Amino acid sequence: EVQLVESGGGLVEPGGSLRLSCAASGFIFSGYNMNWVRQAPGKGLEWVSSIGGSGAYIYYADSVKGRFTISRDNAKNSLYVQMNSLRAEDTAVYYCVRDKDNTGTSHDYWGRGTLVTVSS
Amino acid sequence: QSVLTQPPSVSAAPGQKVTISCSGSSSNIGNNYVSWYQQLPGTAPKLLIYDNNKRPSGIPDRFSGSKSGTSATLGITGLQTGDEADYYCGTWDSRLSGVVFGGGTKLTVL
Repeated sequence: EVQLVESGGGLVEPGGSLRLSCAASGFIFSGYNMNWVRQAPGKGLEWVSSIGGSGAYIYYADSVKGRFTISRDNAKNSLYVQMNSLRAEDTAVYYCVRDKDNTGTSHDYWGRGTLVTVSS
Repeated sequence: QSVLTQPPSVSAAPGQKVTISCSGSSSNIGNNYVSWYQQLPGTAPKLLIYDNNKRPSGIPDRFSGSKSGTSATLGITGLQTGDEADYYCGTWDSRLSGVVFGGGTKLTVL
């Protein structure tokens, strides 16, 4: 059974940093591109970042470019995102998401999400 | 402002059919497969349709998808109260080099 479990969310002050983790199981982790997708309270889905199976390619949304860094450790079946210079508008539930066929067009497994709150 | 455009809300009676539209451009829907997601209140999104019109295992055939040019449509027949949820379309945008989603459509089953 495929499982994605996020951790690391919490309350952080504006300008602060946070590192989210996602523990994956039930599939060959290195064979899939992985993503972070966020959802602000009461709002829609917003893609944050993607990383290829080997980590060779990485993409970011303009809203987080230069502040967030996505990474993965295939030996530990884990996905990460380091979030720096956090802003109030980064407040959201962050989902760890698997790319179904490594094309970016569909995403078949989503974690339950971890809440990040940026507030003083 | 989402790259893909969806109506904010749709509604229909139980047993009826509803369609949800998703409009994009040549850099996203026009040249890439479209997927659809259902998000029930308080839960993570769930893949409903991929590659424009394919259903993952376990998704009933009441749900269907289609694409024409730079627009896509999700259809739901035999509406049930349990179908009340937010629905999102998504795809890859080749110009932006990123995943894009619609703003979401709230389905109300009256």
